[in-house]
Amino acid sequence: KQEVTQIPAALSVPEGENLVLNCSFTDSAIYNLQWFRQDPGKGLTSLLLIQSSQREQTSGRLNASLDKSSGRSTLYIAASQPGDSATYLCAVNGDKLIFGTGTRLQVFP
Amino acid sequence: GAVVSQHPSRVICKSGTSVKIECRSLDFQATTMFWYRQFPKQSLMLMATSNEGSKATYEQGVEKDKFLINHASLTLSTLTVTSAHPEDSSFYICSASYQGLNTEAFFGQGTRLTVV
Repeated sequence: KQEVTQIPAALSVPEGENLVLNCSFTDSAIYNLQWFRQDPGKGLTSLLLIQSSQREQTSGRLNASLDKSSGRSTLYIAASQPGDSATYLCAVNGDKLIFGTGTRLQVFP
Repeated sequence: GAVVSQHPSRVICKSGTSVKIECRSLDFQATTMFWYRQFPKQSLMLMATSNEGSKATYEQGVEKDKFLINHASLTLSTLTVTSAHPEDSSFYICSASYQGLNTEAFFGQGTRLTVV
C-alpha cells in the first residue's frame, strides 16, 4: 500500500527565504508525481507535474525534483513571499492518486 | 490546463436526507475520476475510483451503499451521500484525468457539505 509522507508538517519563515519541502513515498512504481497548493477552505491548484522518467520540473520560483528509486521528491520555493502561504500537498500517481500529509507554510512579512 | 467543475460548492442538508455532488470535465473526456474526502487540517483521503461505464472501486473502509458513485458519461461523475449524518460533514473533492492514470489529474473546486 502506497504511503506518502511530507516533512515538515508546518513551516513558518520570514519572506525572502528559500524553502525546501520534502515528500517521500513507499512504492516507487509510479507514473508521475504532482505538487499542489491548497488555500484554506479552497480546492487544489496544480503547481508542477513530474513524470516518472523526469528528474525535475521548474515553474517560476518553484522547482520540483524527483528521485523515484529512493522514493523522494522535493519542492524548492525561491525567494518566498507572503502570498506563498498555503498548504502544499504532493500526490503520487500509481494505480491511483495518493496524497501526502501536507506541509502548512506561513511566510510572514 | 483542463477544467473540472464541481457543483455545488457548498451545501447544508438535514440529517437523514441525501445529497448529490456533480463533477464535470468541461473541455475533455475523463475516463477516470476520483473522489476524495478531506477533514479539517488533514490531507485528502481517496474514497473511490470512478471509471466510465463500470462500477466504482471503493477504498477500504468506505461504505459503497452510503457513498453512491455514478460515472454515466465521459464528462460527468456524481457522488451521492445517502442518509447523511453530521459525521459525513466534510470537504469532498473530485479529480479527473483524460488519458488515464499516467497523466495529470485536474481537480474540481470542492464541495463543503454540512449536515445538521
